[in-house]
This record gives sequence, structure tokens and C-alpha cells, in this order.
Amino acid sequence: AAGVIQSPRHLIKEKRETATLKCYPIPRHDTVYWYQQGPGQDPQFLISFYEKMQSDKGSIPDRFSAQQFSDYHSELNMSSLELGDSALYFCASSSNFGEQYFGPGTRLTVT
Amino acid sequence: GIQVEQSPPDLILQEGANSTLRCNFSDSVNNLQWFHQNPWGQLINLFYIPSGTKQNGRLSATTVATERYSLLYISSSQTTDSGVYFCAVANSNSGYALNFGKGTSLLVTP
Repeated sequence: AAGVIQSPRHLIKEKRETATLKCYPIPRHDTVYWYQQGPGQDPQFLISFYEKMQSDKGSIPDRFSAQQFSDYHSELNMSSLELGDSALYFCASSSNFGEQYFGPGTRLTVT
Repeated sequence: GIQVEQSPPDLILQEGANSTLRCNFSDSVNNLQWFHQNPWGQLINLFYIPSGTKQNGRLSATTVATERYSLLYISSSQTTDSGVYFCAVANSNSGYALNFGKGTSLLVTP
């Protein structure tokens, strides 16, 4: 069965640079979620999209933005990166607000 | 948001032992999921269980929605069961975004 795809899997950036993370949800899933997991922490919700429209926001910094495109893939854009942005970023998708399926994550390291 | 408390925070077992992990939550939920995060960071879906009981091999889970708790049972533990187990819940007030507990870190020794 198709799973959630995220790219890249690993990313190294310097402070003040920008990064773009991509997510391809499971086909026919109508909702995409982004989560951030810092070292030793639990995942924290950032933002979600329902049928390509932003539906909810969590603890997403103003330096971050996201969108969902017509083909349902989503991108998380992160600017002016800080050391504290180093984390594992997960994308998840679901249908009818049911079970969420997580991608393998993108590990971002900011140096 | 919904508060999620997991216990115990840490657990060390010898291979073959059984264990029970608990998840308490503060509000009614539409979604409750158990995950296993492996040493490589992958979040693996174990159960989608907003209510009732499910079993999958050596693992089973029970959610008592009216009392706002869920239990994850691991039987005959194996070293590959090591990792962090997360409980996560959601409802319409959270926009259906998952609120995670702090996790139970499990180490199974040979």
C-alpha cells in the first residue's frame, strides 16, 4: 500500500538559510498535517490542510509557512533558520479526520 | 488543548516479559493512536483505537473512552520492541490534530 512520502530525508542548513520540505500524502487522503519533533521531545503540531485549504495552526513560528498544491502535495517553507529549528519534521495524512499515517520524516540540522 | 499523560516514563524489561503502558487524557476524543518510534526516528502506527479493544500479534490495546484512558499491552517482549511508545489523541476542538503524550521509553534487554 502507498505510504506518505517525504523529501528530503536529511537536510543540513546553516543559520539564517531557508529550507523547503516536501510531503506527498497517501492518494485520496483529504487532510495533511505537519509536526515538529525536537530532540527528546514528543511531536508538536504545526499546521494542517483540508482539501488544499489551511484548516488549523498550532505552534508554527511566523518564519515558517506552508501550502498544499493542486496535486495534494504539501510544502513546508522555513526561513531565517535558527539552531533551535533542528528537529525531525513529520508529515501525516488522513481521510475523513480518521487515522493519521505518518511519513518517515525529514531530519533537519541547522549549524 | 487536550492533556495527555503517559506512564511509566521509562521501562526496562528482560526479553520475554510482559508490560502494560497507560495513557490518560483530559477530554473526549474522536481519535486515539498508539505509535512506536524506533531508534531511527520512524513513527510506526500500532493501533487506531478511539474506543474498544484490538489485538495485533503480541500487542493489544484497550481504550475506555468514558473513563478517558487507554492501555497498551506488550506480551513476550523482544529486543526489537525497544524504543519510545507514544499515545496521541485528537478531537474536533483540536482541529483533529494529534496531541501527543511525552511517551514511554522502553528498553528490552536480552
